[in-house]
Amino acid sequence: SAVISQKPSRDICQRGTSLTIQCQVDSQVTMMFWYRQQPGQSLTLIATANQGSEATYESGFVIDKFPISRPNLTFSTLTVSNMSPEDSSIYLCSVEVFTRNTEAFFGQGTRLTVV
Amino acid sequence: KQEVTQIPAALSVPEGENLVLNCSFTDSAIYNLQWFRQDPGKGLTSLLLIQSSQREQTSGRLNASLDKSSGRSTLYIAASQPGDSATYLCAVLNNAGNMLTFGGGTRLMVKP
Repeated sequence: SAVISQKPSRDICQRGTSLTIQCQVDSQVTMMFWYRQQPGQSLTLIATANQGSEATYESGFVIDKFPISRPNLTFSTLTVSNMSPEDSSIYLCSVEVFTRNTEAFFGQGTRLTVV
Repeated sequence: KQEVTQIPAALSVPEGENLVLNCSFTDSAIYNLQWFRQDPGKGLTSLLLIQSSQREQTSGRLNASLDKSSGRSTLYIAASQPGDSATYLCAVLNNAGNMLTFGGGTRLMVKP
C-alpha cells in the first residue's frame, strides 16, 4: 500500500492569487496523478507527473494554469494559478502501487474555495 | 473512450438494509476495477479491488462482483449502518495501467 500526505487540507483564497498543493508519498513511485473534483461531480484527471520529465496534461488542462513539479520519486506539487471562483474544487493526488495488483491510492484532498 | 456510469446517483435506506450499488463501463478491456469510499470534502479510501480475471472480492460486509464481458460491477453492502453514509465511487483502470476512469458516484445515506 501507500500512504499519501497532502497539504493543505483546505484553503480559502482570493481570486487572482495562486495556491501550491503538496503531495508526499511514503514510498517511491513512478507516476503521480493529480485530479480535480468539482462540487457534486466525479474526479477528472488533470495531469500525470513523472519524475524527471514534463507532466502530461489531459485535454482542457494547461501547464500555465496548473504547473506541476516532480523533483523526486516521493514528492509532487500542483499549483493552481491566477485563481477564479470556477477553480473552487477538491484537488487530489494519487499514486498507483504495482504489487500483485495495480492499486490506486489517494491523498486526503485539498478543498479549495476561491472568493 | 471509456465511460463509467453509476446507478443510482443517490440512495437513502434505513439502517440494517442490504443494498446494491451498480457500476457499468463501456470498454471491457480493463486491467482492474476499484471501489472507493469518499466522505464529504475528503479524499478517497480504497475499499475493494477486482482484477479483470476475478469475479468477486469480499471485505467484511462488502462484496464486489465483476462481469467484465458485460461491463458491469456491483458493490453489495450487507446490514448497512449509519457509518456507511458516504459517496461510493467505482473506477476502472485501462490495460496500459495509466488511466483510471471514474463513475459519477452513488451518494448513500443510511438512516438510524
